Amino acid sequence: GDSVTQKEGLVTLTEGLPVMLNCTYQTIYSNAFLFWYVHYLNESPRLLLKSSTDNKRTEHQGFHATLHKSSSSFHLQKSSAQLSDSALYYCALSLGGNYKYVFGAGTRLKVIA
Amino acid sequence: DMKVTQMPRYLIKRMGENVLLECGQDMSHETMYWYRQDPGLGLQLIYISYDVDSNSEGDIPKGYRVSRKKREHFSLILDSAKTNQTSVYFCASSSTTEVFFGKGTRLTVV
Repeated sequence: GDSVTQKEGLVTLTEGLPVMLNCTYQTIYSNAFLFWYVHYLNESPRLLLKSSTDNKRTEHQGFHATLHKSSSSFHLQKSSAQLSDSALYYCALSLGGNYKYVFGAGTRLKVIA
Repeated sequence: DMKVTQMPRYLIKRMGENVLLECGQDMSHETMYWYRQDPGLGLQLIYISYDVDSNSEGDIPKGYRVSRKKREHFSLILDSAKTNQTSVYFCASSSTTEVFFGKGTRLTVV
């Protein structure tokens, strides 16, 4: 079945350093959409980024990700971490329409001063 | 105002008691979900509903059932709660391009 893998459970970074959270996926379908959701404490998880076409970068709120179908990856990056970026980040896959969303295990990003 | 509302936000129940978690959405979305969130496991799909009375099991349906009698409401029921059902439960609804989540219900079964 379809799956999403986020290998890092916890990433701890010093403020100002670059962020990279890994996401790989498995699906037999070529039309998969990938997403990054961010979950701040005591809030609802919300959409951060959505994939575009293959090898095209998408950006939002300083974060960016590029869908690479050749390596089945959609890594989340940011050039400089801020304390306010500390949150739980989920990578997710969907085929669109009414197809279910499959979430990875999540990566907790902790940014320290 | 696009919103998914969950009630209650916090709940403590004794083992063996029945639990009802309620969820509403104001976006007329056909598809709704119940997930549970556990550390290291992420968001696990319990049930998905494609519309009124059109529900399907997700990845971890055992011990749960759902009810969807109106498009805007989706309930999760635990008959005879168990301690391993202590978790944070998230309801969500989706358009074709995005999932919208509620704030979660923290359930503790003692």
